[in-house]
Amino acid sequence: SQQGEEDPQALSIQEGENATMNCSYKTSINNLQWYRQNSGRGLVHLILIRSNEREKHSGRLRVTLDTSKKSSSLLITASRAADTASYFCATANAGGTSYGKLTFGQGTILTVHP
Amino acid sequence: EAGVTQFPSHSVIEKGQTVTLRCDPISGHDNLYWYRRVMGKEIKFLLHFVKESKQDESGMPNNRFLAERTGGTYSTLKVQPAELEDSGVYFCASSSQPPPAGYTFGSGTRLTVV
Repeated sequence: SQQGEEDPQALSIQEGENATMNCSYKTSINNLQWYRQNSGRGLVHLILIRSNEREKHSGRLRVTLDTSKKSSSLLITASRAADTASYFCATANAGGTSYGKLTFGQGTILTVHP
Repeated sequence: EAGVTQFPSHSVIEKGQTVTLRCDPISGHDNLYWYRRVMGKEIKFLLHFVKESKQDESGMPNNRFLAERTGGTYSTLKVQPAELEDSGVYFCASSSQPPPAGYTFGSGTRLTVV
């Protein structure tokens, strides 16, 4: 079964710096999504990139996808203290009865120091 | 629009007791999902409803877990009898579009079995 794995597991940076998180997976996917979770809150959908896309931007977020290496990266530019959270990648299968199922990685804990 | 709402936010029960978690999806969202995160592990898929039908329940751990979505609106997840290893955070998500798509997650129910 596929599994998203993020690295690093924890990342600590200063406000204004860029944060890069990576995700690897094992099987063919339809799309890959990134989510954020603030402490004690639910998961917030950040961005979705389809398997035929290589890069996508949304505000200060940039996501890349390399299907040949089965990997993705999430870049947060000009980080803010409010970006402190756990970040998860999740992959979605292409079809079959499990087309709605997301497979999550264990997440990266990002801490941005003011 | 109101988001995905989960009740209760926290529940502490004794081993062997029964607990029922509830999820109210965003109105009109046909797709409803349950996920859970056991301490220290990744977020795992439990099941997917399309309206009132179970599309995929491959992630349900065992027959102590029963999910329902009568009428295709809110959903309940009952654990009976609860075991220590059931402790974790249970997330519900919904989406209006057929997968794959970005989902809206609730804040989760933190279940502690003692």
